[in-house]
Amino acid sequence: AQTVTQSQPEMSVQEAETVTLSCTYDTSESNYYLFWYKQPPSRQMILVIRQEAYKQQNATENRFSVNFQKAAKSFSLKISDSQLGDTAMYFCAFIDSGNTGKLIFGQGTTLQVKP
Amino acid sequence: NAGVTQTPKFRILKIGQSMTLQCTQDMNHNYMYWYRQDPGMGLKLIYYSVGAGITDKGEVPNGYNVSRSTTEDFPLRLELAAPSQTSVYFCASSYRVQRGSNNQPQHFGDGTRLSIL
Repeated sequence: AQTVTQSQPEMSVQEAETVTLSCTYDTSESNYYLFWYKQPPSRQMILVIRQEAYKQQNATENRFSVNFQKAAKSFSLKISDSQLGDTAMYFCAFIDSGNTGKLIFGQGTTLQVKP
Repeated sequence: NAGVTQTPKFRILKIGQSMTLQCTQDMNHNYMYWYRQDPGMGLKLIYYSVGAGITDKGEVPNGYNVSRSTTEDFPLRLELAAPSQTSVYFCASSYRVQRGSNNQPQHFGDGTRLSIL
């Protein structure tokens, strides 16, 4: 079965500092896609970044970058220069390779950015 | 650019009542999904649709029904509301060309917070 695990229920970081959120997953597929979604208190699900498994280069989106380790099945999110608006729950997600295309979510990590 | 629109945003139901959660998208996406999110948890798939007229069960379909008569609309129906269905419901859509083409991210609506009392 495909699973996604986020082992850090809560984290905090000082404004302007860097924080890394961890995610591991399990799959027997060789080509797949991984995502990080942000859910602020407004409850919206906002796509932060995505990674294609066949690409060796780690994805980057402005202050957000990933460390994708395919052999270790690890997909961590690094947030640089943290801002108060980054306070949210972050979900790591893996897309099902079958016909559904459904997202399989981790349990989430609540990130608090402190002023 | 509306994207995925869900109505209502909030609703309180009594046990045994029924209601329909509406979802519509204007991006001409073929795939649509309904997820539920319980407090402090990730999202779990209820039902999904790969195109008009085609629906299938996800992980937690019991107590729900769906229909997909048009590409744009994918309503979720609760027939006999139970306290266990208290949750936040998200509708999402994406465009997939073929099986295994997984590179398009899903676009989410803003969610419907449903309480069953």
